[in-house]
Amino acid sequence: QQQVKQSPQSLIVQKGGISIINCAYENTAFDYFPWYQQFPGKGPALLIAIRPDVSEKKEGRFTISFNKSAKQFSLHIMDSQPGDSATYFCAANAQGGSEKLVFGKGTKLTVNP
Amino acid sequence: DAGVIQSPRHEVTEMGQEVTLRCKPISGHNSLFWYRQTMMRGLELLIYFNNNVPIDDSGMPEDRFSAKMPNASFSTLKIQPSEPRDSAVYFCASRDRGLGNEKLFFGSGTQLSVL
Repeated sequence: QQQVKQSPQSLIVQKGGISIINCAYENTAFDYFPWYQQFPGKGPALLIAIRPDVSEKKEGRFTISFNKSAKQFSLHIMDSQPGDSATYFCAANAQGGSEKLVFGKGTKLTVNP
Repeated sequence: DAGVIQSPRHEVTEMGQEVTLRCKPISGHNSLFWYRQTMMRGLELLIYFNNNVPIDDSGMPEDRFSAKMPNASFSTLKIQPSEPRDSAVYFCASRDRGLGNEKLFFGSGTQLSVL
């Protein structure tokens, strides 16, 4: 059973455009929602994370929007750059921690120059 | 800091052979995780340790897999005997369990191919 469903599987955006990746979860006990970024040949790296007490968190060009009632959260990348081309994973966990994180299957983002 | 160090980066072996993957976590981190990444199943948690003690190994696929953490600076993941379906990228990650510190630091992974 996939506990975190991520879409789309792949995404192509023009430089300067907005990239949007969506995730949905089922477990209402989840209370920590990070996004990880992975470049080819590297391990995932934490990009940004949110807890359900806020509906939005912004760090530079990256924003997480969180909808608790819909059990959905999304990553928005503003002014997308070719250097943002990577695979992005959403994740979730209960008990407020990163132990036993459940990951989505990833979105491969390509930003064309 | 050198980050999480995994070795080898690539491993090619034949079915039935024993495979040992190694991980050195970031100094001072007290939690260590082993993940497996495949196209079909994505990132799966295999096992994690807190303060060198295995806490949850429910993700270990079967008895052929075992993991140890003899000290705070070293962990191994062993597959014996290996099978072609074990082919994947295996990641080690570590973190500091200090209050509010949830960031996982991943190594660059070991690409395992079992022929």
